[in-house]
Amino acid sequence: NAGVMQNPRHLVRRRGQEARLRCSPMKGHSHVYWYRQLPEEGLKFMVYLQKENIIDESGMPKERFSAEFPKEGPSILRIQQVVRGDSAAYFCASSPQADRNYGYTFGSGTRLTVV
Amino acid sequence: DAKTTQPPSMDCAEGRAANLPCNHSTISGNEYVYWYRQIHSQGPQYIIHGLKNNETNEMASLIITEDRKSSTLILPHATLRDTAVYYCIVRVATGGYQKVTFGTGTKLQVIP
Repeated sequence: NAGVMQNPRHLVRRRGQEARLRCSPMKGHSHVYWYRQLPEEGLKFMVYLQKENIIDESGMPKERFSAEFPKEGPSILRIQQVVRGDSAAYFCASSPQADRNYGYTFGSGTRLTVV
Repeated sequence: DAKTTQPPSMDCAEGRAANLPCNHSTISGNEYVYWYRQIHSQGPQYIIHGLKNNETNEMASLIITEDRKSSTLILPHATLRDTAVYYCIVRVATGGYQKVTFGTGTKLQVIP
């Protein structure tokens, strides 16, 4: 039973390019959460999604950032026109639909470097 | 979600018990205490959670005070691989939305 899969593990983008980060939740999990961790800082919540729905995007910057979790396929975090300040580790977590008693399962993250 | 307070850092000798405290004085009756840890550069890992009774699993024990205003995570025999940042979080575990907010945690250094 594979865990939460994130890819790519490392992503380098030049300023102004687009970054697409993918997250496949654990089998049977329909809730996905994205977190960002800047260097030497804590984890910051960005967005919570269920299949085809954004439930809470209160932590996501209003511009350049978007997220989706389609009916089929992985969840995508998209950053348009990246800037150096977007350099961070982006973690995805998932949880089961019904059982809320076991916490989140996190992926290994995508390290984004903007040059 | 209730706010938690943890010491920023702690040291523990290898093989000894590591006792990580957490204060959550404003916890509500329906909020659970969760612990996660993040080993350097890896994704956070769920450790344990509890409501009011002490809990134990293969990783750790969780001791919650009777008034539920504080708790202690115990790693009974710390190893070098337990060096990590440990996060204490309180949140509702049943019904509705369940956002998890991470604070700054405690950086545990296990010393050989």
